Amino acid sequence: SQKIEQNSEALNIQEGKTATLTCNYTNYSPAYLQWYRQDPGRGPVFLLLIRENEKEKRKERLKVTFDTTLKQSLFHITASQPADSATYLCALVRSGNTGKLIFGQGTTLQVKP
Amino acid sequence: KAGVTQTPRYLIKTRGQQVTLSCSPISGHRSVSWYQQTPGQGLQFLFEYFSETQRNKGNFPGRFSGRQFSNSRSEMNVSTLELGDSALYLCASSADGWTEKLFFGSGTQLSVL
Repeated sequence: SQKIEQNSEALNIQEGKTATLTCNYTNYSPAYLQWYRQDPGRGPVFLLLIRENEKEKRKERLKVTFDTTLKQSLFHITASQPADSATYLCALVRSGNTGKLIFGQGTTLQVKP
Repeated sequence: KAGVTQTPRYLIKTRGQQVTLSCSPISGHRSVSWYQQTPGQGLQFLFEYFSETQRNKGNFPGRFSGRQFSNSRSEMNVSTLELGDSALYLCASSADGWTEKLFFGSGTQLSVL
C-alpha cells in the first residue's frame, strides 16, 4: 500500500540546536515534495518545495533534502528558536497527478528555551 | 492581498443534517482544493476545482460534494452527516492549480453531535 510516514512522536530540542524531521514514503513516484508548518487552530503554511531531480533546497534557516533512492526527505531547522515550535507536515504530489497533495501525519516540534 | 477566507469558522450540526462550507480563494487564484483534517487520519484530500471544473477527487463517499463558481469561490457540501464527519475542513487555493504552493485558510471546525 502507499504510505507517507513522519515521526509520530514529538521532537523536543533545546533552543539553538538543529531540528531534523523525517518523511518516508513507499510505493509512490513523487513529482515533488513539500513541507508545511501548522500551528494549532490554523491552516498549514507552505515552507519549501523540492523536486524529484533536486537533492537539496535551502531557505534561510531551513534545509530540505530529497533522496528518491531511500524514498526519504529530511527537513532541517538550524539555530532553532521557541517560535519554531509547531507541527510540520510533509506532502507529496505524484507524477502525473498534479492538483492533489498527499500529506503525512505531521511531526510536532517543541523548542525549549 | 487578502488570504484564503473560510466561513463559518465553527459549526455544530446533528447527525442526518447537511452542511455547506464556503471558501473564498486569494484574488486571481483559479484552483481551490478541499481537505479534511482529523487527529486520526491527518489531512486527507477531498477534491480540487479549477476554473469551475472538478479536476481531482479523493476517496470520500458521494455525500461529500463541491462546486466552484465563476469568481473562483467554492463551496463544499456534506449531506446526511455522520459522527465521523467531525473534523477541520480546510480549503486551499493556488495560482495555476499545479499545487506548487498551496495557500490554506484557517478552516471550518465541524462538530457533528
